[in-house]
Amino acid sequence: GAGVSQSPRYKVTKRGQDVALRCDPISGHVSLYWYRQALGQGPEFLTYFNYEAQQDKSGLPNDRFSAERPEGSISTLTIQRTEQRDSAMYRCASSLMGRQGPYNEQFFGPGTRLTVL
Amino acid sequence: TQLLEQSPQFLSIQEGENLTVYCNSSSVFSSLQWYRQEPGEGPVLLVTVVTGGEVKKLKRLTFQFGDARKDSSLHITAAQPGDTGLYLCAGRPPSSGGSYIPTFGRGTSLIVHP
Repeated sequence: GAGVSQSPRYKVTKRGQDVALRCDPISGHVSLYWYRQALGQGPEFLTYFNYEAQQDKSGLPNDRFSAERPEGSISTLTIQRTEQRDSAMYRCASSLMGRQGPYNEQFFGPGTRLTVL
Repeated sequence: TQLLEQSPQFLSIQEGENLTVYCNSSSVFSSLQWYRQEPGEGPVLLVTVVTGGEVKKLKRLTFQFGDARKDSSLHITAAQPGDTGLYLCAGRPPSSGGSYIPTFGRGTSLIVHP
């Protein structure tokens, strides 16, 4: 299909290792968002991009978290020196353009389940 | 930070019952969206409400935006097992300027038993 894809779907890593999570948005979507979602709760904003520019990273928990979208399409969320508290579902979403009106719809990916041992 | 409180947090009902879930805030939103998330999937948009007092219907689902644009409700008539999922509201701040960062509520987890 032509939806948002994420890889890997599951990632198990040991504490202290770095991980890179990938998001492939819907073709033509300008805005890309990263969220973290605990089981049974709403998504928690991490960061977002318009094209290749990172517009807001205020939701990143600390400087071990970073994200990039160098060509304005695929994005990577990197977590360095992972800790057990980083274990969560990481979702990305894309939309046509974040600031274009109230009816802007976000399309979510299936998520990457990260487990830090 | 604008917070959205959703209630109830959990709801377990029998097929055919009616239910209402609520999304409340002390802040004004320029628009509010409702999403449904099924187990193992990402949230999917159901509706967007923009005008205070606005009511939208989607089959058995009725969405209302409060007059002051601080709250919203979702009413489901004659619930079916297929309605099972996590219902999320997301608000857009009124002065978002060039950026749009939605605020999500914690969600209402609904289970409809056959």
